[in-house]
Amino acid sequence: QAGLTQPPAVSKGLRQTATLTCGGNRNNVGDQGALWLQQHQGHPPKVLSYRNNNRPSGISERVSASRSGDTASLTITGLQPEDEADYYCSAWDSSLSAWVFGGGTKLTVL
Amino acid sequence: EVQLVESGGGLVQPGGSLRLSCAASGITFSSYWMNWVRQAPGRGLEWVANIDEDGNARYYMDSVKGRFTISRDNAKNSLFLEMNSLRAEDTAVYYCANMGLSTGFWGQGTLVTVSS
Repeated sequence: QAGLTQPPAVSKGLRQTATLTCGGNRNNVGDQGALWLQQHQGHPPKVLSYRNNNRPSGISERVSASRSGDTASLTITGLQPEDEADYYCSAWDSSLSAWVFGGGTKLTVL
Repeated sequence: EVQLVESGGGLVQPGGSLRLSCAASGITFSSYWMNWVRQAPGRGLEWVANIDEDGNARYYMDSVKGRFTISRDNAKNSLFLEMNSLRAEDTAVYYCANMGLSTGFWGQGTLVTVSS
């Protein structure tokens, strides 16, 4: 099944802002939005943003999600060392009747 | 607190079978679609299968159709994945997960290794 498009790597400085993108189409991201996940090495994924762009309780206000057409974005402000992780987006594809994932973006905080 | 606890992983030979379980607590389990998502060593996340609240609708990724079966027991707050004809490429950590429009929770995962 075809996946969503994420840049493999993004590097930003401490306290800077990172915006991660997730490209899809009208059948997935453009239809019901994207879920965003953070994964640290050796740990399970953690939900950062639901498909309706709301944050689960306990997720920092530095994290926000949005969508424009078929592209979803995750913005993290005031980058901290603990933000260094892999980030995945995912969406339900109504034409495939399947969930599709992006390949993940490795965020490095310099 | 929401908890999803997977079990049943292990080492199995190619062609063998395994049954994964996921025990849920802290949620009204019967209200949620549930998924199995896997992650091969050093690789990204890959959706495997999902099932609706009542167990009436089920969807699978192409490469597991006919080999894997997802099911649930709402009375026991449990999700299952029956895996047959296992292949080396099925080696991965398998996560139990909900990915709703306004919900989302994941388990810790269970490792399945298919090797002779």
